[in-house]
Amino acid sequence: DSGVTQTPKHLITATGQRVTLRCSPRSGDLSVYWYQQSLDQGLQFLIQYYNGEERAKGNILERFSAQQFPDLHSELNLSSLELGDSALYFCASGSEYEQYFGPGTRLTVT
Amino acid sequence: ILNVEQSPQSLHVQEGDSTNFTCSFPSSNFYALHWYRWETAKSPEALFVMTLNGDEKKKGRISATLNTKEGYSYLYIKGSQPEDSATYLCAFWGGSNYKLTFGKGTLLTVNP
Repeated sequence: DSGVTQTPKHLITATGQRVTLRCSPRSGDLSVYWYQQSLDQGLQFLIQYYNGEERAKGNILERFSAQQFPDLHSELNLSSLELGDSALYFCASGSEYEQYFGPGTRLTVT
Repeated sequence: ILNVEQSPQSLHVQEGDSTNFTCSFPSSNFYALHWYRWETAKSPEALFVMTLNGDEKKKGRISATLNTKEGYSYLYIKGSQPEDSATYLCAFWGGSNYKLTFGKGTLLTVNP
């Protein structure tokens, strides 16, 4: 158990819908990282928050957004969903020297 | 765009075999190289973080080496066991971004 929690574990929704994925970092970690794992891709970095502020941005679509709250949990919002957004979404906490991954949320868009 | 390449893509070995795989990454602006072990239906688990050229790290039967000048790292598994079956990911931290760039992984299957 990494100490990072993610909810929900599975999500099935239709195209055009909007969903919110939630992540709570390990106790004491200020950074949260979001990653997407699609079928033929490696883990793709989406975005990082540090103590409530956006710190780094990767291949995140404009339809996606994230935020980190004062209690340090983070939410990833995915809107106008397309079939291609079906993937495993991980969050991690820690630092660039050591990251601890949550169990992931599997999103299926039908 | 940073390229992190892993080879081979997949590997089947017999129990007891020793094996190794490669991660290549940009040799400039290097900060750290990570290895993760990712079992099916679980989340990636950190194995090693290496920061210095020539670093060698070991955890049980698994070890890793790092060459930052030529941009590669090797992961070795001695005497593979079926429980070693997993995808092994490497991730590079470097350049001007605060982010890890992951390779696509090497899928190792150890047959009993």
